[in-house]
Amino acid sequence: QVQLQQWGAGLSKPSETLSLTCAVYGGSFSGYYWNWIRQPPGKGLEWIGEINHGGTTNYNPSLKSRVTISVDTSKKQFYLRVGPVTAADTAVYYCARVAITGTYVNAFDIWGQGTMVTVSS
Amino acid sequence: EIVLTQSPGTLSLSPGERATLSCRASQSVSSTYLAWYQQKPGQAPRLLIYGTSSRATGIPDRFSGSGSGTDFTLTISRLQPEDFAVYYCQQYGSSLFTFGPGTKVDIK
Repeated sequence: QVQLQQWGAGLSKPSETLSLTCAVYGGSFSGYYWNWIRQPPGKGLEWIGEINHGGTTNYNPSLKSRVTISVDTSKKQFYLRVGPVTAADTAVYYCARVAITGTYVNAFDIWGQGTMVTVSS
Repeated sequence: EIVLTQSPGTLSLSPGERATLSCRASQSVSSTYLAWYQQKPGQAPRLLIYGTSSRATGIPDRFSGSGSGTDFTLTISRLQPEDFAVYYCQQYGSSLFTFGPGTKVDIK
């Protein structure tokens, strides 16, 4: 059973960079895109971006200038950096898997547990 | 960017009733790339429907999806107590994923 486990600092100061990690357990790392999605308190879902095992990335144009997603295939982990942050970046951040081929193409079938990140001085 | 609009914003129904949720896109969406999710408070979203009408593994058959082009529908045939939640539609196109704002299904 594939599981995503994520972690990172829950508090960032304005103008700093937030960093999160997502680890993939129990499944293949190749053949998928690995995504970050966020949800401000009481609001809807916003896709941030994705990366595959080869390091190819796609970003939401609205966030692209402040976001970096990277990968370490040896550890089966991928990473999110967003900065400089403002209060508007306060949200629950999720990692999620998307299949490139097969059944769940371009649908998020596996999600991490979510990490609440608060941006405050 | 394709913008998704969901209606109604809130749907108040009783257990056993039928729920019909709408998702409308600002331009045509490939039916292969339209999905629906359920989210309960404090939980990550859960994939219900992918490819417009296919149920994900373990999803009960009271959930069904339909539609094409710019108009898509999620139907819950007989609401169970565990179905009261927020539902999001999602599409993929031009290397970009977008979500609708959600429909909250609450108990009447």
